[in-house]
Amino acid sequence: DTAVSQTPKYLVTQMGNDKSIKCEQNLGHDTMYWYKQDSKKFLKIMFSYNNKELIINETVPNRFSPKSPDKAHLNLHINSLELGDSAVYFCASSQFHYNEQFFGPGTRLTVL
Amino acid sequence: AQKVTQAQTEISVVEKEDVTLDCVYETRDTTYYLFWYKQPPSGELVFLIRRNSFDEQNEISGRYSWNFQKSTSSFNFTITASQVVDSAVYFCALSTTPQGGSEKLVFGKGTKLTVNP
Repeated sequence: DTAVSQTPKYLVTQMGNDKSIKCEQNLGHDTMYWYKQDSKKFLKIMFSYNNKELIINETVPNRFSPKSPDKAHLNLHINSLELGDSAVYFCASSQFHYNEQFFGPGTRLTVL
Repeated sequence: AQKVTQAQTEISVVEKEDVTLDCVYETRDTTYYLFWYKQPPSGELVFLIRRNSFDEQNEISGRYSWNFQKSTSSFNFTITASQVVDSAVYFCALSTTPQGGSEKLVFGKGTKLTVNP
């Protein structure tokens, strides 16, 4: 059973389009995250949600809008895609007080 | 502010050599957690270890061992008798006490380890 899953795995799109990435976890965790890994492999947190409530928003452009319909899902919608949005986006989840975060397989977004 | 420094960008060894990956962190918090993650060429991030700031005992898991020293703010990772399958990018990360129930992992820039046969 996949613990943290993301769809799609690859996403190729044109500049200016709107796209969404979905994430689901079946670990029963109450906190979920989005991280961005750039071309130099640097990983940086974008958002975190705890029990569907936004907790961390790391000065991400407002073209990025996360949505958490329930504790097990955290989706990322991106409007007006730009070349610089090309990256691998990782979803993660954790249980409060346990700290270790479990990551999904990543979504490689390429903006042409 | 929290910061993690992995000074070694790339390391290349021959199989069966021992290799140590360095990690130095900065934080003003007294309670914090340190992590190592592995990212093999396939791209996923694999959790390896978590250590809290109150536990300075070294840990060994098979060929892997970790040396945590608060005095030097370091959390180094050693692979003994390296194997080709150990080739990956290794990330050290730091998180501090939860704010509103959510921890934020601050990652180092990673060390790319290549183990040659």
